[in-house]
Amino acid sequence: GEKVEQHESTLSVREGDSAVINCTYTDTASSYFPWYKQEAGKGLHFVIDIRSNVDRKQSQRLIVLLDKKAKRFSLHITATQPEDSAIYFCAASMANYNVLYFGSGTKLTVEP
Amino acid sequence: NAGVIQTPRHKVTGKGQEATLWCEPISGHSAVFWYRQTIVQGLEFLTYFRNQAPIDDSGMPKERFSAQMPNQSHSTLKIQSTQPQDSAVYLCASSLRTGTSAETLYFGSGTRLTVL
Repeated sequence: GEKVEQHESTLSVREGDSAVINCTYTDTASSYFPWYKQEAGKGLHFVIDIRSNVDRKQSQRLIVLLDKKAKRFSLHITATQPEDSAIYFCAASMANYNVLYFGSGTKLTVEP
Repeated sequence: NAGVIQTPRHKVTGKGQEATLWCEPISGHSAVFWYRQTIVQGLEFLTYFRNQAPIDDSGMPKERFSAQMPNQSHSTLKIQSTQPQDSAVYLCASSLRTGTSAETLYFGSGTRLTVL
C-alpha cells in the first residue's frame, strides 16, 4: 500500500519568514495530495490540495508543489504568522478512491 | 453546519471492557471514514463506508474491532475486550463522495480512548 513520508518532524521559523514542509510517496497510482492542519486538541482541518494534473497550486499564502517524477510534494507557507503554528499533515490517495494515507506530521512553530 | 460530531470526547475504560465510539457525519455526506491517531503510529486508516455500505476495512484489526453504519446519520466503532495498546485518539471523517474523484475529508474532533 501507499506510504507517505514526511521529512520534517519539527520546524521553527520567525514570523514573516517562509516555511517549507516536504513529503514523498511510494505509489505511482497516487494522484491526489491534500494537506491538513491540526491544532491542539482538535481534529484535522483541510488547508489545500493538489492533483496530479498540475504541478503547482496557490491559495493566498499557501503554495503546493508536486514533482511526480520524484514522487515528492511540498507545502510552502509564505509570510508566516503565529496562528500558522500547528501540526501539518500531508496525505496521498488515488484519484478514484477517497482513502487518505498520511505522513507523520510536522510541528510548525512560528515565533513572533 | 455543526461539522462531524464525535462522542464522547474522552472515554476511559478498564482493560477487558468494551468501548463504543459514535460519529455523526455532516448531513448529506455519503462517505464516512475512521482513523486512529497515536504518537508512535501516527494516523492510521481503519475503515470506510459509502452510502452506509462497508467499502474498505483493510486497516481494522481483525480481532475485537468492528464498525457499523446503520443509517446515514451515524456510525459506530466498537472495540471489545479493550487493551492498553488500543489507547489512542479515534477520528471520524466524512466527505460528499459525489463522484469518482478524491474529495476533501472533514474530520471530527476525535474521541480520546484511554484503556487502564
